[in-house]
Amino acid sequence: TQLLEQSPQFLSIQEGENLTVYCNSSSVFSSLQWYRQEPGEGPVLLVTVVTGGEVKKLKRLTFQFGDARKDSSLHITAAQPGDTGLYLCAGAQSGGYQKVTFGTGTKLQVIP
Amino acid sequence: KAGVTQTPRYLIKTRGQQVTLSCSPISGHRSVSWYQQTPGQGLQFLFEYFSETQRNKGNFPGRFSGRQFSNSRSEMNVSTLELGDSALYLCASSQRDWTGELFFGEGSRLTVL
Repeated sequence: TQLLEQSPQFLSIQEGENLTVYCNSSSVFSSLQWYRQEPGEGPVLLVTVVTGGEVKKLKRLTFQFGDARKDSSLHITAAQPGDTGLYLCAGAQSGGYQKVTFGTGTKLQVIP
Repeated sequence: KAGVTQTPRYLIKTRGQQVTLSCSPISGHRSVSWYQQTPGQGLQFLFEYFSETQRNKGNFPGRFSGRQFSNSRSEMNVSTLELGDSALYLCASSQRDWTGELFFGEGSRLTVL
């Protein structure tokens, strides 16, 4: 069974602070996604990383895929209240049909 | 283009009843996956359909079933509802070329009393 552990589980910070969320697994993934989910809504795809060592930036968000494609991190610079939500990482493996394994989630609250 | 549409958004059932949830994927997407989300267990994979065939199934009892129609729309059914089935049920569609990217609907919030 593939497991994706995220840390921290909960994070409450002041507006303007920086933060990093980690996503770790013992399995190798062909791609890894990050999603953000707001209460009562479905997760929304933020980014996909596919190459070991890859770094992608989306405005104030920086995503990194580990060299061995087993882990990833999400760094947010100068967090804003609009960043509040549940952040989920998800790993996928290639080869015919497959299911996506989701991480345990990180609940972020940015206080104005 | 229109996103993934799930109906109904909210429903309340009692133990022992059954429920059917519907999902219309993004136009052109032929793969539909279903997930159950609860505060304690997070997002758990139920099953995935592609071209009307179930390709993969998670570890859920046989009370949970699904199907996909020729227009890629999908339904999932839960029979003999239990209190523990209360959850947000999410449907996601994806493109034929597998990238792992999922596009979710807003979910169906099921409450079992």
